[in-house]
Amino acid sequence: NAGVTQTPKFQVLKTGQSMTLQCAQDMNHEYMSWYRQDPGMGLRLIHYSVGAGITDQGEVPNGYNVSRSTTEDFPLRLLSAAPSQTSVYFCASSYVPTELNEQFFGPGTRLTVL
Amino acid sequence: GQQVMQIPQYQHVQEGEDFTTYCNSSTTLSNIQWYKQRPGGHPVFLIQLVKSGEVKKQKRLTFQFGEAKKNSSLHITATQTTDVGTYFCAGLHSGGYQKVTFGTGTKLQVIP
Repeated sequence: NAGVTQTPKFQVLKTGQSMTLQCAQDMNHEYMSWYRQDPGMGLRLIHYSVGAGITDQGEVPNGYNVSRSTTEDFPLRLLSAAPSQTSVYFCASSYVPTELNEQFFGPGTRLTVL
Repeated sequence: GQQVMQIPQYQHVQEGEDFTTYCNSSTTLSNIQWYKQRPGGHPVFLIQLVKSGEVKKQKRLTFQFGEAKKNSSLHITATQTTDVGTYFCAGLHSGGYQKVTFGTGTKLQVIP
């Protein structure tokens, strides 16, 4: 099993550009989520999904879109990048969405917006 | 909104000293988890606590969940250089279906 994979590892964007961060898991997990990590602020939940076709907003959803067309994939779209979106982005997955199960994290994407 | 605070934000200890990080929630938690993130790495699950007053141990690590289920702690006995990293708690708030709130993290540096 590859676990949770994320691409790209690094990305530099200019203000106003759009892009998609990819996330995939091969563990047949129902629950997937996106976090951003900024210094001194821990991990903040952007969006999450409890299964294919179902998504919901987390703590900091503005400027981001998600979709979940398959169990395996959960891409995060930046619609119009802003410098405030410079951060490290982590995708995570877990088995059962109705309990707090162990979350498996991907290696992260380091994004810089100029 | 629901908040989970951790103290201290940073901690430097001499190798062999003990270390404790505290996690405090503004609301009651259903469960709490602890994660460790090595420098440059991603968070890795350590443990989950569910019951009020629960205490769990993993070798030199002791985890506690408060009686009111609003706070938790992680204690490391006799730190080693391999303990370096940032420790996060993560809580599922009662009634907060599926939304996980991470604490702000405590960065531990161990001086050999």
